[in-house]
Amino acid sequence: QKEVEQNSGPLSVPEGAIASLNCTYSDRGSQSFFWYRQYSGKSPELIMFIYSNGDKEDGRFTAQLNKASQYVSLLIRDSQPSDSATYLCAADNDYKLSFGAGTTVTVRA
Amino acid sequence: GAVVSQHPSWVICKSGTSVKIECRSLDFQATTMFWYRQFPKQSLMLMATSNEGSKATYEQGVEKDKFLINHASLTLSTLTVTSAHPEDSSFYICSASSKGSGNTIYFGEGSWLTVV
Repeated sequence: QKEVEQNSGPLSVPEGAIASLNCTYSDRGSQSFFWYRQYSGKSPELIMFIYSNGDKEDGRFTAQLNKASQYVSLLIRDSQPSDSATYLCAADNDYKLSFGAGTTVTVRA
Repeated sequence: GAVVSQHPSWVICKSGTSVKIECRSLDFQATTMFWYRQFPKQSLMLMATSNEGSKATYEQGVEKDKFLINHASLTLSTLTVTSAHPEDSSFYICSASSKGSGNTIYFGEGSWLTVV
């Protein structure tokens, strides 16, 4: 079993819609969880991190964490074509990140 | 601006030669840096943890004699791919944590290695 699993993509959403990304993790010792965006051929960019149960909002992005269910999600509101990228979920264990395989999102204009 | 810098951004080398990639933390001291490798259309895989002043810790399946890691200062870690082969061609990315700003982890820009 992979440490971090993400819902399979690709995910295609129309511009202005909400994109919903899901992630589960197996290591209960993980304390922090990260969502990164990666454009093709580029290094990952941090979108946001979350370490407390509940929701965390930052602009158009909302991360949700449920430690009991070992579940993390990311909502992208008002999706824009520039949001088209691969989104990586990562679980942190003492700054060492375990990444999911990524979900590719395409926002249709 | 970038807080973790990698160099070179891309490199082409001949099979059998060695290549060194540098990772620098620009605005903070990083006692620990991490090296990842990413093959096309795959996720990042942790290769090793680089500890300042001590030996690196390698993940299972990563050859420590092939991927030499040196973390000689608090702002610089290097990865040397020795006797490179075409299957080593990949995107290599380093990361460093800045504990002064919570648990934020910064990634370098990445280095594309092509072995011909």
